[in-house]
Amino acid sequence: GAVVSQHPSWVICKSGTSVKIECRSLDFQATTMFWYRQFPKQSLMLMATSNEGSKATYEQGVEKDKFLINHASLTLSTLTVTSAHPEDSSFYICSARKHTNPQPQHFGDGTRLSIL
Amino acid sequence: GENVEQHPSTLSVQEGDSAVIKCTYSDSASNYFPWYKQELGKRPQLIIDIRSNVGEKKDQRIAVTLNKTAKHFSLHITETQPEDSAVYFCAAGMNSGGSNYKLTFGKGTLLTVNP
Repeated sequence: GAVVSQHPSWVICKSGTSVKIECRSLDFQATTMFWYRQFPKQSLMLMATSNEGSKATYEQGVEKDKFLINHASLTLSTLTVTSAHPEDSSFYICSARKHTNPQPQHFGDGTRLSIL
Repeated sequence: GENVEQHPSTLSVQEGDSAVIKCTYSDSASNYFPWYKQELGKRPQLIIDIRSNVGEKKDQRIAVTLNKTAKHFSLHITETQPEDSAVYFCAAGMNSGGSNYKLTFGKGTLLTVNP
């Protein structure tokens, strides 16, 4: 199998707080992980591609200083939403892929972030 | 960049009927086409995928077809069951530079199977 674990599943916090979300591949090594944002009843919008040991590649319009990504090992990537505001409230989902192209992406359970 | 269009946005069928969801893509460099099923509040789950060197792939009640010339691919679900009700996303995958390989998703189709 290819299991991806995402934590936490739900976060509620005050405006101005920074929130860290973890994405782990449990039974395989993921050289690449992806972070998506999904608004209610909408599609998955790619925010950034995270490669182990190098800087993340951000999609156009995504603020890299706002959404900090770290991929320090082959099984862990983190997304930190810095100084979160209500407009950052969303469903954030990570996915991981084994090294060979093309390969399926396997998704975590997602994190529902609510900023008050 | 790649653009993926998905139709219809909603689809309602009777149990036992077939359901077809269609997607088109814009960039001929795309070479991998997965389909994901997402139930409410849950993770997208890969249900089938197809690579550009294949025209059709089938897995039990699910099949996907790819027409590279027309740049469109379709998902076919036969003998639908209520548990097939979910949002289905198509995606097109391509190398985006260096070692980056990314998926562009369609907007999704809400499939409802009525008992």
